[in-house]
This record gives sequence, structure tokens and C-alpha cells, in this order.
Amino acid sequence: DSGVTQTPKHLITATGQRVTLRCSPRSGDLSVYWYQQSLDQGLQFLIQYYNGEERAKGNILERFSAQQFPDLHSELNLSSLELGDSALYFCASRGPGGPSGELFFGEGSRLTVL
Amino acid sequence: AQTVTQSQPEMSVQEAETVTLSCTYDTSESDYYLFWYKQPPSRQMILVIRQEAYKQQNATENRFSVNFQKAAKSFSLKISDSQLGDAAMYFCAYKGGGTSYGKLTFGQGTILTVHP
Repeated sequence: DSGVTQTPKHLITATGQRVTLRCSPRSGDLSVYWYQQSLDQGLQFLIQYYNGEERAKGNILERFSAQQFPDLHSELNLSSLELGDSALYFCASRGPGGPSGELFFGEGSRLTVL
Repeated sequence: AQTVTQSQPEMSVQEAETVTLSCTYDTSESDYYLFWYKQPPSRQMILVIRQEAYKQQNATENRFSVNFQKAAKSFSLKISDSQLGDAAMYFCAYKGGGTSYGKLTFGQGTILTVHP
């Protein structure tokens, strides 16, 4: 158990819909990272938050947004869903150790868009 | 932009044998970190080993070791005495120093099969 909690584990929805994925980082970790894993794109970095503030943005679509709340949990919102958004979405938090600090990953949220 | 390349989509090894997974990366940074992550069928990403670029000594964690060739930008993973539990997808990952904010850039992954 990494200590990072993601809900839901599985989600099936239809095109055009909106979903919210939730992540609770390890106790004490201030940084949260979101990644998308799909068969054709591999593991892609989406966005990072540190103590409530956005720190880095990767290949995140405009239809997607995220935030980190005062209690440090984070939510990834996916809207106007398309078939191609079907993927495994990971959240990770960074442990101590500065820049080389290990990323601890949650078990992921499997999104299926029909 | 940094890129990470794993040229072996699939590898297989007999139990108790040794296997080496390849990884190359491209960067203009001098300060960075390299990682190997394992993703078993449970899909959880698990850190296997890490290497700081400023360290010349290759990292070792029990049966796992790396061959870090900085000039060649190569970072291979050697698994000795392979076990059935080593079967998984293995990802090589790069993390830059400075303002990269700790994000990882991953390779495409190598599926490792371990035969009994």
C-alpha cells in the first residue's frame, strides 16, 4: 500500500459526460501529480499541484481541469468525454528527499467511455 | 524536451536467470534522476530503483542493479535470479532537476515474462 488513495477504482460513462476523479496523497506529502496511461500514448504527465497551487502542466486537454484543496486532496475533472479519454488515471504524491524524492502512486482510476 | 526510449516492447526470462532491460534518454540537463518502476497486473506503480546522475556508482537494490552510462545516456536494469513475481511491465523514467518540479517522463514500457 503506497498510502495514496484514489477513487473510484473503476468508472464507466458515456460520451459527452463529465466525471471527477479524487486523490488523497500520503500523509504529509504536499505535491500531487496526475498521469494518464493509455495504450497508444503510454504514461503521460497531466498536471502537478503543490500545497494548493498549480506548479506544472503537461499534456492536459482544455476539457480537463484539476485542483488541490486545503486538506491537500486533489480532484481531476474530465468533461465532454470522448472515446479516446478511456484510460487509467494515476495520482501520485512526492515523498521527502527534495528533487529526488520518490513518487508514490495510487492504484489508479480506470475510466471507460462508451 | 526530454525523451525516454525503451526499445524492447517485450522480454522473457527463465526463472533464476538474469535479464537486462534497456533504456536510453535524451536531455540537455546535467542534473537529473533516473528511475525504474514496475507495474504488475495489479497496475500499481512500484519504484524498483533510482539513480542520481551526479553519482558515478551504479545503484543496486538486492537483485536489481543498473548500468548507468551518462555519456551514452543509457540506463539499463539488470534483474538477477529472476522470480515469478518479477513478471510485470517495467518503465524507465526521467526526472530533471531545477524547475521540473519533480515530474517524471516515462518510456513506453517493457513487458517482462518470467517462465518457470
